[in-house]
Amino acid sequence: KNQVEQSPQSLIILEGKNCTLQCNYTVSPFSNLRWYKQDTGRGPVSLTIMTFSENTKSNGRYTATLDADTKQSSLHITASQLSDSASYICVVTDRGSTLGRLYFGRGTQLTVWP
Amino acid sequence: EADIYQTPRYLVIGTGKKITLECSQTMGHDKMYWYQQDPGMELHLIHYSYGVNSTEKGDLSSESTVSRIRTEHFPLTLESARPSHTSQYLCASSEYASEDTQYFGPGTRLTVL
Repeated sequence: KNQVEQSPQSLIILEGKNCTLQCNYTVSPFSNLRWYKQDTGRGPVSLTIMTFSENTKSNGRYTATLDADTKQSSLHITASQLSDSASYICVVTDRGSTLGRLYFGRGTQLTVWP
Repeated sequence: EADIYQTPRYLVIGTGKKITLECSQTMGHDKMYWYQQDPGMELHLIHYSYGVNSTEKGDLSSESTVSRIRTEHFPLTLESARPSHTSQYLCASSEYASEDTQYFGPGTRLTVL
């Protein structure tokens, strides 16, 4: 069964600290993996996208890694800011259908305290 | 920021009412999608469209219906709202296949009393 699991479910850190969010997936065949940021009451916004051959992708203070062999990804946030408080969603796309179906994780709720 | 809009942002209605959630995008994207999201849960695809006059049901069974008469417009309708329809509804679009990055609207928070 194709699934996307994220951990931790929630995380509280102090402003300026770093953190790492995890995503494990069983989706096969794999097409790409995205990390989205969803602010409360808003729609998700894409942060990074990685295909099978990419190991690392950065977007400012956000760095995503992908290990396609172990089917794991992480999102590392450096020098956190209050505006980083949001839900971070891991989304994996398969290439086994014409639709290119997306599998969503439940997200990690990150809270950054001053 | 993506040019995709949803109205209303919040809606509280009584059981049995007919409602239409609006979604418009100005990016000229062919593909559009409707997702349902409950708090702390993953997004579930309820409808999608490949282009004008094309609509398909998604993975999650929904009593809602959609239409795609114009490229930029993808409204979702509930003929008779029930409390079980209370949820957040997110509209998205992508340029080609769903493998492309999807751009999401701000969502409509629906509460049915």
